[in-house]
Amino acid sequence: QKEVEQDPGPLSVPEGAIVSLNCTYSNSAFQYFMWYRQYSRKGPELLMYTYSSGNKEDGRFTAQVDKSSKYISLFIRDSQPSDSATYLCAMKANSGYALNFGKGTSLLVTP
Amino acid sequence: DVKVTQSSRYLVKRTGEKVFLECVQDMDHENMFWYRQDPGLGLRLIYFSYDVKMKEKGDIPEGYSVSREKKERFSLILESASTNQTSMYLCASSSEDRGDVRETQYFGPGTRLLVL
Repeated sequence: QKEVEQDPGPLSVPEGAIVSLNCTYSNSAFQYFMWYRQYSRKGPELLMYTYSSGNKEDGRFTAQVDKSSKYISLFIRDSQPSDSATYLCAMKANSGYALNFGKGTSLLVTP
Repeated sequence: DVKVTQSSRYLVKRTGEKVFLECVQDMDHENMFWYRQDPGLGLRLIYFSYDVKMKEKGDIPEGYSVSREKKERFSLILESASTNQTSMYLCASSSEDRGDVRETQYFGPGTRLLVL
């Protein structure tokens, strides 16, 4: 079993919809949780960062971490066509250097 | 603003050629990473470095080597390129500060390498 699981999609939603993207993980040592957005043929860019549990909001984006269920989510409100991209979750334990990435979910927001 | 740059956006090489991919970061980050990204396989770590002249193997180091002579620069070397090394190569850097957002990895724009 991979340490981080993420549904690859594709997920297609109409403009203005609320989008929910999710990852599950198996390693209870993970403490740092990130969401990256990657546009086609570009490098991933950091979207949200959360340390330990809880919620974090930034504009239309909300990241949630439920450590008891080993489940993290990214919500996008009022989705826009410019949100069309691949979203990668990533997580890390306190020790070590490497991030553990999900394979990414492809999102398409249609006008 | 963190900036990670990669020497080339696109490269076309022939089988057997020696290939150098270079990455430079301007944030004085201690850690630097090389990944490759392939459809259906996601991001896979090739090598990383936590200090000058230090390197650690990642998940798929075979066929690759790295060099870090200066803190801001991390090179990936394909000693003898093969067609199965055709991929998107991504460099990233991160800080050593624990519990800080700078510990997250910041990525360069990527190099699309085609080996013929």
